[in-house]
Amino acid sequence: GAGVSQSPRYKVAKRGQDVALRCDPISGHVSLFWYQQALGQGPEFLTYFQNEAQLDKSGLPSDRFFAERPEGSVSTLKIQRTQQEDSAVYLCASSLSYRVHSGNTIYFGEGSWLTVV
Amino acid sequence: DAKTTQPPSMDCAEGRAANLPCNHSTISGNEYVYWYRQIHSQGPQYIIHGLKNNETNEMASLIITEDRKSSTLILPHATLRDTAVYYCIVRVGDAGNNRKLIWGLGTSLAVNP
Repeated sequence: GAGVSQSPRYKVAKRGQDVALRCDPISGHVSLFWYQQALGQGPEFLTYFQNEAQLDKSGLPSDRFFAERPEGSVSTLKIQRTQQEDSAVYLCASSLSYRVHSGNTIYFGEGSWLTVV
Repeated sequence: DAKTTQPPSMDCAEGRAANLPCNHSTISGNEYVYWYRQIHSQGPQYIIHGLKNNETNEMASLIITEDRKSSTLILPHATLRDTAVYYCIVRVGDAGNNRKLIWGLGTSLAVNP
């Protein structure tokens, strides 16, 4: 597709339920990022993939959060036993390569809005 | 990672230039300055980035001071559709640690008719 695509766009989960959020990056993009954005705040880094390798997961808030990108394209962010504090927008982003140069812009999707009730 | 400081909000009249300041006094030599904006309920949109030199594209201009401790994003002719939160971000320009964008709270720009 032309941009980063995320699904579902909106998700309401009952506390304790597991959720899976999908990200389709721009075709051919090597780098993939997940960010979490609480209401009124800037995005907070969660994790980073270079192709299928998860090189940085330092931002994942707990072991209930898990991300994968098994074939180096589509990625899934899974949250187990959701809690109310997990309510946020989950943003996926991709970039062509891992190098910072004039063409290496990070493009964001529209986000998945998660509400835990 | 360096951090940025931006005013929480600004107003601008439609058709006038919007000048959004950003302080990044602890920026390192290999850290780029990136600007994104986020319109309500949408994902962040890339605007422009730079390292040392001033930059211009179809959306905006970026003016970086010589000591690189601050920068200004200029929207030359603001429209109502430019109403958004604008984020100034520094990003390490090294392949070894360029994974994260460190976001602040941004500047909420209101363009008024």
